[in-house]
Amino acid sequence: GESVGLHLPTLSVQEGDNSIINCAYSNSASDYFIWYKQESGKGPQFIIDIRSNMDKRQGQRVTVLLNKTVKHLSLQIAATQPGDSAVYFCAENINQAGTALIFGKGTTLSVSS
Amino acid sequence: ETGVTQTPRHLVMGMTNKKSLKCEQHLGHNAMYWYKQSAKKPLELMFVYSLEERVENNSVPSRFSPECPNSSHLFLHLHTLQPEDSALYLCASSHAGVGYTFGSGTRLTVV
Repeated sequence: GESVGLHLPTLSVQEGDNSIINCAYSNSASDYFIWYKQESGKGPQFIIDIRSNMDKRQGQRVTVLLNKTVKHLSLQIAATQPGDSAVYFCAENINQAGTALIFGKGTTLSVSS
Repeated sequence: ETGVTQTPRHLVMGMTNKKSLKCEQHLGHNAMYWYKQSAKKPLELMFVYSLEERVENNSVPSRFSPECPNSSHLFLHLHTLQPEDSALYLCASSHAGVGYTFGSGTRLTVV
């Protein structure tokens, strides 16, 4: 069954605002998490990942926060742009060979200019 | 181009047809995966191959048959599909569970 989920199916923001997309996971053994972006007609694209021994990781305009106490993951996008409009998925994995990523439902981010 | 190539991009097939989806990765990864993505649903894991051995089969119907002849190639053989099998089929690869990379998918329509 599904072990990863997102809190909101849709999020609408204005261009230039900061966006926060949330995700809850249920498998305490998960030790590797990834955020993906999927644009229409394309496969999921890697955005940023984080291991369970970290609680924050920053990339270019994106930050992932991990709270293992409450099993919560979030993706922050700074200065959101129209090109950020897509569906965002979080995924979890127990980092062992032979296991696979489990995905949540996804949040559709719409950015208006 | 992500390094994972899927063909064809689009496929329309009848319920009595037999077809195959192909996936190829040039990333030196040692694990490959098939996922199914239906409208408004999460990605569903179908098959996992690690070091060319099938590790997981998530109770997928036998009308879907995977094949992994080497670490760079993965196939999904389809026969006697149902209309509800229409979906986007995504291939991914990783190196021991790290560096997951997806292809662009095959949009399958069963008529």
